[in-house]
Amino acid sequence: DQQVKQNSPSLSVQEGRISILNCDYTNSMFDYFLWYKKYPAEGPTFLISISSIKDKNEDGRFTVFLNKSAKHLSLHIVPSQPGDSAVYFCAASAYPSYDKVIFGPGTSLSVIP
Amino acid sequence: KAGVTQTPRYLIKTRGQQVTLSCSPISGHRSVSWYQQTPGQGLQFLFEYFSETQRNKGNFPGRFSGRQFSNSRSEMNVSTLELGDSALYLCASSFRDESGANVLTFGAGSRLTVL
Repeated sequence: DQQVKQNSPSLSVQEGRISILNCDYTNSMFDYFLWYKKYPAEGPTFLISISSIKDKNEDGRFTVFLNKSAKHLSLHIVPSQPGDSAVYFCAASAYPSYDKVIFGPGTSLSVIP
Repeated sequence: KAGVTQTPRYLIKTRGQQVTLSCSPISGHRSVSWYQQTPGQGLQFLFEYFSETQRNKGNFPGRFSGRQFSNSRSEMNVSTLELGDSALYLCASSFRDESGANVLTFGAGSRLTVL
């Protein structure tokens, strides 16, 4: 069973516009959520995290929103840049196994110049 | 600080063989996790080690095993290889960020092809 879901395999956005990547989860015990970005031939790199006690976290062009009642989170990238083109993974972990981080299948973002 | 180092980067094996992959975590990181990435499946959690002990395990058959050494370096082994084991195997070491989240730092991965 897929506990972390990313229902859009791909997304295309014009440069300068907003990119919104969505993630849904089924395990209500998750209390930390993270986003990673992955370029081909490289390992994923950490972007931003949010704990379940918050509903928003910002870091530069990246903002993550968490809606616990809907078990939904989203990553907003504003403005989108061509270098943002990559696969984005949503991930989550739950007490007591915070070190067991569960990933979604990923969304491939293409930012068109 | 050096990053997470995985060796080998690429390897080709045939069905029935076994393979051992190696991972050196970031210096000072004691937790090492392993993931399998296949197209469309994202990153599937294999196992996590801390201080030479397996603390967490994913839903993989017993052919997949791992260990961690006293210097935190880790190895994973896959025995009796099957075609479906072809994947990118990623290792990560971790730290807790200011929110308390366990942040993984990944290596570049070992690309295994089983023929």
